[in-house]
Amino acid sequence: LAKTTQPISMDSYEGQEVNITCSHNNIATNDYITWYQQFPSQGPRFIIQGYKTKVTNEVASLFIPADRKSSTLSLPRVSLSDTAVYYCLVGRSVSSGSARQLTFGSGTQLTVLP
Amino acid sequence: EAGVVQSPRYKIIEKKQPVAFWCNPISGHNTLYWYLQNLGQGPELLIRYENEEAVDDSQLPKDRFSAERLKGVDSTLKIQPAELGDSAVYLCASSTGTGRNADTQYFGPGTRLTVL
Repeated sequence: LAKTTQPISMDSYEGQEVNITCSHNNIATNDYITWYQQFPSQGPRFIIQGYKTKVTNEVASLFIPADRKSSTLSLPRVSLSDTAVYYCLVGRSVSSGSARQLTFGSGTQLTVLP
Repeated sequence: EAGVVQSPRYKIIEKKQPVAFWCNPISGHNTLYWYLQNLGQGPELLIRYENEEAVDDSQLPKDRFSAERLKGVDSTLKIQPAELGDSAVYLCASSTGTGRNADTQYFGPGTRLTVL
């Protein structure tokens, strides 16, 4: 299993950019990197997925260096409603056949302060 | 479009009693997942279905847990008998299983189980 390591918690202020880094030293060639967000009493929600370099969507950016042993989720101008747990997952796409089990880890508790 | 539906949302039972959770995935999603989430921890995969076939159940405690996905749509997760340590949130998720975003998982709200 591709093990991931994230900071347990982070604090930020409204309007700031937040970067959460995930380490995944034993990532395999066919593995993708996916980030989820989870609010209390809700299931996780997909944020972004990438394989290499940079991916951007309407809510976040994902930066992946060439060696792919880490990745950074970037949230621009956070608001109080971005307070949540953020999970980094590494695993193979199910469409590629025998998907490797996706392991969530303990995640990073982001607290956005006013 | 309706999301993943789970019921019940909350369940309180005494130990040694049976319990069942139900999940209705997003229409057209071939892949269905059951997770267990303990307080302060990330979700842990219990079982993954591709249509009606359980393709990954290595983490399912088969002595007391069972699951089924008849006709490849709805799924039921059962615990019999329940133990105190089974108190957790049980999450169901689904994904298309094919195409570009094959493994983007959509989660239901979960069922919070309390075993007394």
